[in-house]
Amino acid sequence: GESVGLHLPTLSVQEGDNSIINCAYSNSASDYFIWYKQESGKGPQFIIDIRSNMDKRQGQRVTVLLNKTVKHLSLQIAATQPGDSAVYFCAETSNTGGFKTIFGAGTRLFVKA
Amino acid sequence: DGGITQSPKYLFRKEGQNVTLSCEQNLNHDAMYWYRQDPGQGLRLIYYSQIVNDFQKGDIAEGYSVSREKKESFPLTVTSAQKNPTAFYLCASSISAAAGTEAFFGQGTRLTVV
Repeated sequence: GESVGLHLPTLSVQEGDNSIINCAYSNSASDYFIWYKQESGKGPQFIIDIRSNMDKRQGQRVTVLLNKTVKHLSLQIAATQPGDSAVYFCAETSNTGGFKTIFGAGTRLFVKA
Repeated sequence: DGGITQSPKYLFRKEGQNVTLSCEQNLNHDAMYWYRQDPGQGLRLIYYSQIVNDFQKGDIAEGYSVSREKKESFPLTVTSAQKNPTAFYLCASSISAAAGTEAFFGQGTRLTVV
């Protein structure tokens, strides 16, 4: 079946280190992927996206990598800060068979000062 | 300021009551969505609307109803038929429902059955 899952439910990193959050997907028809950040008690916020015709996209301190061969998505956060502590969701979207966006369960990132 | 607003932030419901959660956006977006989030879980789609006066069931529509009479508004009613309504409800909107469009989320409504 279709699924978007995360390899690590929690991740703890030292302030200043780089963080890597992973996501696996199984729908090969998905053509758009988004990473969201959700702080406690708030709605998810867009971080970065990538389309299936790309394998890397960089933003400010964040990089998303897409490996379509193994259906893997990752979010890299450089120089992690305490304000980065949150739950991170990956989402995949496909128009095949009608609108369909699948969210993963999320990874909680703890940043230790 | 443009954005998407959900109200109330916290809502308590007695057993057997219907309650309506409000979602308003001033982003001029055609598509709007309702998701449910349970602790430690991802977001699950309840209903979505691609355009005014149209809406479609998502993965967990049973026990919920929606309307889309205005482009700006997409209220969600949690009916007494929903057996386990306690959850965090998130409304979102996007320019369109096509793949490749970013969804903007509200701040959520936490519903508790008492």
